[in-house]
Amino acid sequence: GIQVEQSPPDLILQEGANSTLRCNFSDSVNNLQWFHQNPWGQLINLFYIPSGTKQNGRLSATTVATERYSLLYISSSQTTDSGVYFCAVVRSNYQLIWGAGTKLIIKP
Amino acid sequence: DTEVTQTPKHLVMGMTNKKSLKCEQHMGHRAMYWYKQKAKKPPELMFVYSYEKLSINESVPSRFSPECPNSSLLNLHLHALQPEDSALYLCASSIGAGANVLTFGAGSRLTVL
Repeated sequence: GIQVEQSPPDLILQEGANSTLRCNFSDSVNNLQWFHQNPWGQLINLFYIPSGTKQNGRLSATTVATERYSLLYISSSQTTDSGVYFCAVVRSNYQLIWGAGTKLIIKP
Repeated sequence: DTEVTQTPKHLVMGMTNKKSLKCEQHMGHRAMYWYKQKAKKPPELMFVYSYEKLSINESVPSRFSPECPNSSLLNLHLHALQPEDSALYLCASSIGAGANVLTFGAGSRLTVL
């Protein structure tokens, strides 16, 4: 089956720093999503990005489907960016295969 | 309304209790999901309802019983749970098939004593 690997597993940054999170996947996919889970458990869908580049405020994402990776960029980090970032790809209808996540801590 | 609402936020139950988790959305989404998440792990799919019919059951033990009374509501009935069932239970919805953009609820944190 498809494998999804995220790196780094943990990241600690000072407020204001920029960061890049990576998601590699082992097979071609039609659907890739990035999520942020805050420390209280709420999961928010950040991007639906099977290919190309999207931006939303300080966050942007790029997926290079032919090379089987996606990158999530966070600029000018804020403490509210802390949490776990997951990428997930679609295996079949309804079913996502999730990476293990990157835990991000932003220190004030 | 762009939210998925889950109740209760916290639930503590004994192994002989019967309880239910509830999920509601009014976005007109026709697919609804239950996920289970243990600490420091990604969510694991449990059940999927599509157009109010059970589409996927990921070999979940029968002590978990899902129900979809209508297109806006999703319940998870709990009975005779084990301590290892303690976890965060997340409800999600999407417009339709293909796991298109998922909208998650805030979760119900379950503790089984």
